Amino acid sequence: DAKTTQPNSMESNEEEPVHLPCNHSTISGTDYIHWYRQLPSQGPEYVIHGLTSNVNNRMASLAIAEDRKSSTLILHRATLRDAAVYYCILRLRYGNKLVFGAGTILRVKS
Amino acid sequence: NAGVTQTPKFRVLKTGQSMTLLCAQDMNHEYMYWYRQDPGMGLRLIHYSVGEGTTAKGEVPDGYNVSRLKKQNFLLGLESAAPSQTSVYFCASDTVNQPQHFGDGTRLSIL
Repeated sequence: DAKTTQPNSMESNEEEPVHLPCNHSTISGTDYIHWYRQLPSQGPEYVIHGLTSNVNNRMASLAIAEDRKSSTLILHRATLRDAAVYYCILRLRYGNKLVFGAGTILRVKS
Repeated sequence: NAGVTQTPKFRVLKTGQSMTLLCAQDMNHEYMYWYRQDPGMGLRLIHYSVGEGTTAKGEVPDGYNVSRLKKQNFLLGLESAAPSQTSVYFCASDTVNQPQHFGDGTRLSIL
């Protein structure tokens, strides 16, 4: 399974945008980029995923580099409820397994 | 719509005891998974199933067994619990090219 690299932790102010980076230099053409987050004492929840083009949904945006070797999860206005561990995961197009790294701990200050 | 439900939520065992964790999903998903999460770490896949009656090993299968007798249920068994199996266990389910849905976890302590 291809690996991803994320910063251990990041901090943001409430109401400001947050850009969470992820490097995946060994990504293959059939790997989708998935983001999940895990709030304290809960199971992970799906945030967003994409293949080549940038993606938007009600939770976040995903910006994918042209060479696909990196991506950025964008939270447009961080709230205290967004404080969580964010995982960037590569998943085969027709695969089912997710391989979790340590993720990025996001702290949001009021 | 309950999603993924795990039973029990908490359990304390003594070394050598056995127990079964139950996962139930009501989304008609083909795939189901069991993960464990140790403090400060990401989730690690124990076993998974791609359909009723089929199971496969994940990254850390030793010491665990699983069964998928019904499509909606996935059981994780510990035959002889060891302190190293103290962890939080998460069950998940999905279908092809769809996000995984996770339960709220089972906190298991083995003394």
